[in-house]
Amino acid sequence: DGGITQSPKYLFRKEGQNVTLSCEQNLNHDAMYWYRQDPGQGLRLIYYSQIVNDFQKGDIAEGYSVSREKKESFPLTVTSAQKNPTAFYLCASSINAGMVRGELFFGEGSRLTVL
Amino acid sequence: AQKITQTQPGMFVQEKEAVTLDCTYDTSDPSYGLFWYKQPSSGEMIFLIYQGSYDQQNATEGRYSLNFQKARKSANLVISASQLGDSAMYFCAMREARGYKLSFGAGTTVTVRA
Repeated sequence: DGGITQSPKYLFRKEGQNVTLSCEQNLNHDAMYWYRQDPGQGLRLIYYSQIVNDFQKGDIAEGYSVSREKKESFPLTVTSAQKNPTAFYLCASSINAGMVRGELFFGEGSRLTVL
Repeated sequence: AQKITQTQPGMFVQEKEAVTLDCTYDTSDPSYGLFWYKQPSSGEMIFLIYQGSYDQQNATEGRYSLNFQKARKSANLVISASQLGDSAMYFCAMREARGYKLSFGAGTTVTVRA
């Protein structure tokens, strides 16, 4: 079945450690996105990628890094520079980033807790 | 500046009744799209309905309908005949033609009572 797979679902990290969240899609979508969600709040965009080997910062990119070496993969690294990384992270994809109509398809999310 | 505003943090609705979730938006772009998503307690985001700024008719998808009032910049979601499985958080979102991201509101939690 087509969809977006995020792993791990739950992750615990010690302060000062980097951690990488995986996101894989088999929908053949060009665009991929990473959002952060804090309790009781909406989603905020971290990074997005319109095409392989290209990505742009979103609203809250500080302390995060991404890569887009393959069309189907868009991993997110939460670095030690991110001051408050405990959150729920959602990866999404859409057919094309430039289409107003294109809805986002989401993965099931990764919950990161810093101990 | 906040582009999407959802003023109702939480709502209770009786099973089989209808509920309206408010959403107002702010844009100067004449071309934009409005989306509603449902987020159950499990966390995944489920796409419900879409309304384009040039669409002449209000969008409908099964029990979901969108009350689109362009002049008031309002895109309220109506859920008819509520079911217990409708209990979730609901997000309104917008994409402008000149941008690439989907901007989300803060969400409204709906609890359906039996």
